[in-house]
Amino acid sequence: DAGVIQSPRHEVTEMGQEVTLRCKPISGHDYLFWYRQTMMRGLELLIYFNNNVPIDDSGMPEDRFSAKMPNASFSTLKIQPSEPRDSAVYFCASSQIPGLETQYFGPGTRLLVL
Amino acid sequence: AQSVTQLDSQVPVFEEAPVELRCNYSSSVSVYLFWYVQYPNQGLQLLLKYLSGSTLVKGINGFEAEFNKSQTSFHLRKPSVHISDTAEYFCAVRSLSGGYQKVTFGIGTKLQVIP
Repeated sequence: DAGVIQSPRHEVTEMGQEVTLRCKPISGHDYLFWYRQTMMRGLELLIYFNNNVPIDDSGMPEDRFSAKMPNASFSTLKIQPSEPRDSAVYFCASSQIPGLETQYFGPGTRLLVL
Repeated sequence: AQSVTQLDSQVPVFEEAPVELRCNYSSSVSVYLFWYVQYPNQGLQLLLKYLSGSTLVKGINGFEAEFNKSQTSFHLRKPSVHISDTAEYFCAVRSLSGGYQKVTFGIGTKLQVIP
């Protein structure tokens, strides 16, 4: 398996623009997670899905952030409008049952909002 | 609520020397514990995990960790580090209180191996 795939790997945009991050989990994995990593706050869980259904979105910082999982092989994280404080590395991870304890991370998307 | 404290933000160590990265957790129920490693410009990958049984857990790349319930600690150790171990290490905890409980990660410890 190719592992968790994220695109784009790097994104530079201007404040106010819409940003869409994409993730393809490992085939057969039931859970998908979106994390944000910054120097100040470390690794934060934004939202996670089970069988394409959002279970806990309490980590989503505000209404500007939204996430969808239209099918088992694709998820998006959208920021609209983007702000400089959204600059971070965004990771997608997936895991399966059994073996739920191990999360497999993608390489991340490095976002810079100017 | 659960939480993780990694006591050292950076740990420099000479090559072939031993290293210990400290991790303490807080939870009112039983837990699963993890160490993940992140190499530069990569995602996190699992180093080792404690679910139950023996409190000494061996992971990849010669790392091991010991679960100490009384001290609520899960320190990571390696007897002799290599340059390639330079990375950031994250301790994580998941409480076992019914249903799926999300994993909480520590702030990370940067291990710098000096030639």
